[in-house]
Amino acid sequence: DAGVTQSPTHLIKTRGQHVTLRCSPISGHKSVSWYQQVLGQGPQFIFQYYEKEERGRGNFPDRFSARQFPNYSSELNVNALLLGDSALYLCASSFGQPGSGANVLTFGAGSRLTVL
Amino acid sequence: GQSLEQPSEVTAVEGAIVQINCTYQTSGFYGLSWYQQHDGGAPTFLSYNALDGLEETGRFSSFLSRSDSYGYLLLQELQMKDSASYFCAVRPRSGGSYIPTFGRGTSLIVHP
Repeated sequence: DAGVTQSPTHLIKTRGQHVTLRCSPISGHKSVSWYQQVLGQGPQFIFQYYEKEERGRGNFPDRFSARQFPNYSSELNVNALLLGDSALYLCASSFGQPGSGANVLTFGAGSRLTVL
Repeated sequence: GQSLEQPSEVTAVEGAIVQINCTYQTSGFYGLSWYQQHDGGAPTFLSYNALDGLEETGRFSSFLSRSDSYGYLLLQELQMKDSASYFCAVRPRSGGSYIPTFGRGTSLIVHP
């Protein structure tokens, strides 16, 4: 069974551009979360979706948006890119509802975004 | 809000035992998790403590004390492949939303 898959793996953009990152969760997982990880720091929570509804939002500007599709895959969109948006963007899927049990996160390998 | 503190770096030799501490400030949470991340890789789940006490999974053990706002990850019989970053994370109780918080991570360097 495939794990969490993310695309693209690497991308380079310039300031002011827009980017769309994609994530396919593990089959059967209905929850998808997005994280930003800057080098040397822990993952910072951006969004969580469960059953196509937003269930949590971290402290990120409105330039960041996301959605979840009927097949539970998800997209993260970032508008008006800034140099500081350069980071590894991680997607994680989990089985249960937010707040249930251990809610183990299975992460994808990430999309490394470089903004020039 | 929530904050977690971890040492930035820990070094040890092969075969040794190392403990990575995590102290936290949070108004309430479901449990404490630990994740491992190798350079260039994805974080992978190691353990979860819902209750106070020790959880053991092979060479790795994790401990939680809610009264002390403290937890740790214990790695025994260290191997070179254990060189990685280790993150503690809490799942806070926050109404109906779910905003997990990760620590800044501890870089473990295992020497021969």
